Amino acid sequence: EIVLTQSPATLSLSPGERATLSCRASQSVSLYLAWYQHKPGQAPRLLVYDATYRASGIPARFSGSGSGTDFNLTISSLEPDDSAIYYCQQRTIWWTFGQGTKLEI
Amino acid sequence: QVQVVQSGAEAKRPGSSVKVSCKTSGGSFTNFAVSWVRQAPGQGLEWMGDIVPIVGSPNYGQKFRDRITITADESTSTVYLEMRTLRSEDTAMYYCARISSPEFWGQGTQVTVSS
Repeated sequence: EIVLTQSPATLSLSPGERATLSCRASQSVSLYLAWYQHKPGQAPRLLVYDATYRASGIPARFSGSGSGTDFNLTISSLEPDDSAIYYCQQRTIWWTFGQGTKLEI
Repeated sequence: QVQVVQSGAEAKRPGSSVKVSCKTSGGSFTNFAVSWVRQAPGQGLEWMGDIVPIVGSPNYGQKFRDRITITADESTSTVYLEMRTLRSEDTAMYYCARISSPEFWGQGTQVTVSS
């Protein structure tokens, strides 16, 4: 099973700042990596798929990069509503999630 | 507009089984994968498995493959998750999602396992 390790566990930033969240895979997942935003009481929301493609309706402030084993999610110009837990997810044959990064604005 | 609606909350005894449904309306049912994801209290997201109705053969996460069955009923556009031999650690919110662009998620089903 492919293990995803996210860092940092918690990130505290101010509105307008830039956030960089990292995800490392235990083996190559090529470009089959997605990022989700999850807020309490809501279903997870897909932000990025195939490492770099923004999902439908996602603002351009969210961008994904990376390939193979190392990936980043960058959120430029943070807004208070961006407070959430962010998960990376690998989408090879059997999917797995990272343990999450809690972003506090 | 596509809608995904899950069945209601369940309260179960340890050792019993539960079957959660996920009904899709407003779009194609057979051509898109439906995944099941759960979140236990204070824990992260766990992918459990998926099925593409037109293919029929489900994929299961390593942790769950001995205890769950995912099926699809094309006549009602519904995907089911059945979990057996429930334990207290299975207490969680269970979500289904149609994996398409955009994705469509159900509202979640709370399953509580307690004696």
